[in-house]
Amino acid sequence: AQSVSQHNHHVILSEAASLELGCNYSYGGTVNLFWYVQYPGQHLQLLLKYFSGDPLVKGIKGFEAEFIKSKFSFNLRKPSVQWSDTAEYFCAVNALGTASKLTFGTGTRLQVTL
Amino acid sequence: DAGVIQSPRHEVTEMGQEVTLRCKPISGHNSLFWYRQTMMRGLELLIYFNNNVPIDDSGMPEDRFSAKMPNASFSTLKIQPSEPRDSAVYFCASSLSSASNQPQHFGDGTRLSIL
Repeated sequence: AQSVSQHNHHVILSEAASLELGCNYSYGGTVNLFWYVQYPGQHLQLLLKYFSGDPLVKGIKGFEAEFIKSKFSFNLRKPSVQWSDTAEYFCAVNALGTASKLTFGTGTRLQVTL
Repeated sequence: DAGVIQSPRHEVTEMGQEVTLRCKPISGHNSLFWYRQTMMRGLELLIYFNNNVPIDDSGMPEDRFSAKMPNASFSTLKIQPSEPRDSAVYFCASSLSSASNQPQHFGDGTRLSIL
């Protein structure tokens, strides 16, 4: 079975700082990868997804993620965070052949200070 | 377009009572998922349906939990009897199909508190 690790549990950044959140998965086969964001008190929303092709994926709100197959990683980045990016971020993996079933990481809580 | 609709948004009840959570997926979506979110365990998949049929219920914690999908536009998650450790936020999500590249769309969740 696949698993997802997000090593940063809580990240605090000042506005305009650069962001990188780590995500590693364990699965030897083909995967689809997702990042979801959960703003305080809200439901999860899709930030970006990777299925195939260019390993650098651009999502909404200036976020991007890079799939590095050799490292089993799919790190999320943003060059300059805003206070409104304060939220919890979840990495998720879907293994090919498991329908649309997702395995989520435990999440990273991002706090952006003014 | 209406998203995934869950009800109730909040539920507070005493232990031992039956709890029923409801979900209406996005129209046209064929896959439906129930998740539980807690501080300790994060987001856990409980069960998912494809074309109203339960495909994987390995995440259902125990026999006190049951889920049904009587038609394409409605699903319920029932806990009977409820216990304090069931307190969590329960999310329902739907996707267009069971294809692995289909993203899931989440509802606003039901915050359940068992006293």
